[in-house]
Amino acid sequence: AQKITQTQPGMFVQEKEAVTLDCTYDTSDPSYGLFWYKQPSSGEMIFLIYQGSYDQQNATEGRYSLNFQKARKSANLVISASQLGDSAMYFCAMSRINTGNQFYFGTGTSLTVIP
Amino acid sequence: DTAVSQTPKYLVTQMGNDKSIKCEQNLGHDTMYWYKQDSKKFLKIMFSYNNKELIINETVPNRFSPKSPDKAHLNLHINSLELGDSAVYFCASSQGPGQGTSPLHFGNGTRLTVT
Repeated sequence: AQKITQTQPGMFVQEKEAVTLDCTYDTSDPSYGLFWYKQPSSGEMIFLIYQGSYDQQNATEGRYSLNFQKARKSANLVISASQLGDSAMYFCAMSRINTGNQFYFGTGTSLTVIP
Repeated sequence: DTAVSQTPKYLVTQMGNDKSIKCEQNLGHDTMYWYKQDSKKFLKIMFSYNNKELIINETVPNRFSPKSPDKAHLNLHINSLELGDSAVYFCASSQGPGQGTSPLHFGNGTRLTVT
């Protein structure tokens, strides 16, 4: 069975500091994708960043980077220079590429940025 | 130019009623999904269609019936609503299987409240 684990239900970070949100996954598939989504209090789901299982380099998108450690099966999200608008729920997700693009989500981490 | 749109945004109804949620995507994606997000923010896949064909049908009561008239639309009909059906329902789409991994693009959600 596929599984995504986010062990931090809630995190706090000072404005302008960096923060790492943890995500581990479990799969026996060789091909998979890893994603992070942001859900602000307004409720929409916003795609942030993607990492493919065969990608050699860690993905980056602006202030977001994904620390991909394949052997450890971890895909941590790093947010640099936190802003008040980063306060939200963050979900890690994994997709199985060869079986209908099925996506699995973690339980989420609630991030609060403190001014 | 909304990518994935679902209506209505809010739905308040009484137990025993039947209701529908509509979803449309203009991204040209082949695969569409329905997710349920409960009060603890957990996202659970309900259904997935690829080119109008059902490919994922998780353990969902048969009171829930998805309908895909074409690959751009995936509607969700719920019969005999129960209190436990209260949740936020998200429609999403992605490129089809076998086309690499693309992220899920979510609609803004429908908050269903059953009284």
